[in-house]
Amino acid sequence: GESVGLHLPTLSVQEGDNSIINCAYSNSASDYFIWYKQESGKGPQFIIDIRSNMDKRQGQRVTVLLNKTVKHLSLQIAATQPGDSAVYFCAEILYGNKLVFGAGTILRVKS
Amino acid sequence: EAQVTQNPRYLITVTGKKLTVTCSQNMNHEYMSWYRQDPGLGLRQIYYSMNVEVTDKGDVPEGYKVSRKEKRNFPLILESPSPNQTSLYFCASSLSPSWDSPLHFGNGTRLTVT
Repeated sequence: GESVGLHLPTLSVQEGDNSIINCAYSNSASDYFIWYKQESGKGPQFIIDIRSNMDKRQGQRVTVLLNKTVKHLSLQIAATQPGDSAVYFCAEILYGNKLVFGAGTILRVKS
Repeated sequence: EAQVTQNPRYLITVTGKKLTVTCSQNMNHEYMSWYRQDPGLGLRQIYYSMNVEVTDKGDVPEGYKVSRKEKRNFPLILESPSPNQTSLYFCASSLSPSWDSPLHFGNGTRLTVT
């Protein structure tokens, strides 16, 4: 697989448990945030997004929470499955069209 | 199938030998972008294009060129590759880089410059 995971924080969870992946963003002017999932050997895949005027958004098994006070974003995955193992990136959109990615977090699911 | 297609998937070359990485999307997207991904650094934007004949520098444009002559294609050109351009490259497209228009990524091109 591709060696994009070196030096990244790693979260290990047991299959069936809930996972929480955190991200701190830098710019209080960011108006849109996205979570991406990247599996080994593939490009990033869109998971869920949230606009800055929201504090929570839910998808299928995933929830994104936004705390603008502390500039913090989290991704919650319910009932984590082996197929959820991947690198997860948060990204923020600045000034309407500049997309800036975080460094990523490795999620490992233990069966 | 809606997709972003990059070629080649793997490329090994020598310093100074011009190369082009192709990118094509079949979703009629206006916005296209190139990123490089290095261990621990996440994805960094090289160049992007808001539409045909409109291109702009991203965060790390040095040593790269792009062109957008047609809506579907956005090739990345390295006129004189150097070892510090060894990286994993991703092309992406979207209707626009904004709300309800997420990026679709290709599967990457692993470039090694010796």
